[in-house]
Amino acid sequence: GAGVSQSPSNKVTEKGKDVELRCDPISGHTALYWYRQSLGQGLEFLIYFQGNSAPDKSGLPSDRFSAERTGGSVSTLTIQRTQQEDSAVYLCASSLESGYDYGYTFGSGTRLTVV
Amino acid sequence: SQQGEEDPQALSIQEGENATMNCSYKTSINNLQWYRQNSGRGLVHLILIRSNEREKHSGRLRVTLDTSKKSSSLLITASRAADTASYFCATGDNTDKLIFGTGTRLQVFP
Repeated sequence: GAGVSQSPSNKVTEKGKDVELRCDPISGHTALYWYRQSLGQGLEFLIYFQGNSAPDKSGLPSDRFSAERTGGSVSTLTIQRTQQEDSAVYLCASSLESGYDYGYTFGSGTRLTVV
Repeated sequence: SQQGEEDPQALSIQEGENATMNCSYKTSINNLQWYRQNSGRGLVHLILIRSNEREKHSGRLRVTLDTSKKSSSLLITASRAADTASYFCATGDNTDKLIFGTGTRLQVFP
């Protein structure tokens, strides 16, 4: 596709339920990043992929969070047993290669609300 | 952890005025990038300046970088109401990812 696509755009879930967030990067971009942003705050790094491997998952807040990427393309971020503090906008970005020599292209994000 | 911090946190100006935002960072960098975010959703890449560059221009944007002071500034000239957004600086911290600052919220009044 022409841009980074994220789905759903909005998700409301009950505390304790599991959620899956999807990111479809730009075709040919080997690096994929997940960030989250709480209301009025900066971006918090979660995890990034180079191809299907995740060299850095240091930002995942707890073992309730996991992510995978298949076929060097689509990635899913899974949050198990959601808590209210998980409410945030989850942003996905892709770039041609990993590293910071390339600009990132962001998706529009998934706004997650845990009630 | 935050690598970059922008100031001011918020800035309000009239259309036609210039807007200047500053970013300070902590560690050595290869480059520094600026992004814009509308309405709390996806960020848009504006400009990348390398550590061996001191100034870069793109349209109405001017970015400076002072590696001795570990700081950068973003100047938007002749601002428009459509420039209203949050602006973030981002740097690499010797890992293969960008760390974003806390952002400056710019409001441009018609």
